[in-house]
Amino acid sequence: DQQVKQNSPSLSVQEGRISILNCDYTNSMFDYFLWYKKYPAEGPTFLISISSIKDKNEDGRFTVFLNKSAKHLSLHIVPSQPGDSAVYFCAANTGANNLFFGTGTRLTVIP
Amino acid sequence: NAGVTQTPKFQVLKTGQSMTLQCAQDMNHNSMYWYRQDPGMGLRLIYYSASEGTTDKGEVPNGYNVSRLNKREFSLRLESAAPSQTSVYFCASKLLSGGAHNEQFFGPGTRLTVL
Repeated sequence: DQQVKQNSPSLSVQEGRISILNCDYTNSMFDYFLWYKKYPAEGPTFLISISSIKDKNEDGRFTVFLNKSAKHLSLHIVPSQPGDSAVYFCAANTGANNLFFGTGTRLTVIP
Repeated sequence: NAGVTQTPKFQVLKTGQSMTLQCAQDMNHNSMYWYRQDPGMGLRLIYYSASEGTTDKGEVPNGYNVSRLNKREFSLRLESAAPSQTSVYFCASKLLSGGAHNEQFFGPGTRLTVL
């Protein structure tokens, strides 16, 4: 059973606009959430994370929002750039070693 | 500083053959992980090693064995490959076990096809 879900397999956005990637989870024990970015033929690379005690974390153009009551998090990229085109994975864990990943959303930023 | 390296990059096996996927990290990390990624699914944890000398099962361990050879190296072995093991395999490392605040660093992956 998928504990972390990304219901949008793909997203296309114009360069300069905002990209919003969504993620839902079912396990209320998750206390840390991460976003990874993956280019073809490469491994995932860490992008940004958020602890369950926060509702927002910002790093440059990237902001992650967490809504614990809705078990939902989102990644905002502003402004979107063509180099942001990649697959984005949401992941969560309970502080133990098993990191649970979503199925990914392919973002295409159109120049 | 190469980070996490994996060999081979690609491999084709016949059903029943065995092989070992190699992983090494040069970041002095304590914990290492093996994941598989299948189409339409996220990465799933196969095995992990929280520290040198220890290994534990993850979400999908059946059909695999692992060895934490030393602090740097963590190998994944398929004793008798099956078509269901066709996948992309990623190795990852993390500075500390547990401790969600430190992220995992991933290798480039091994694409395995079992015929």
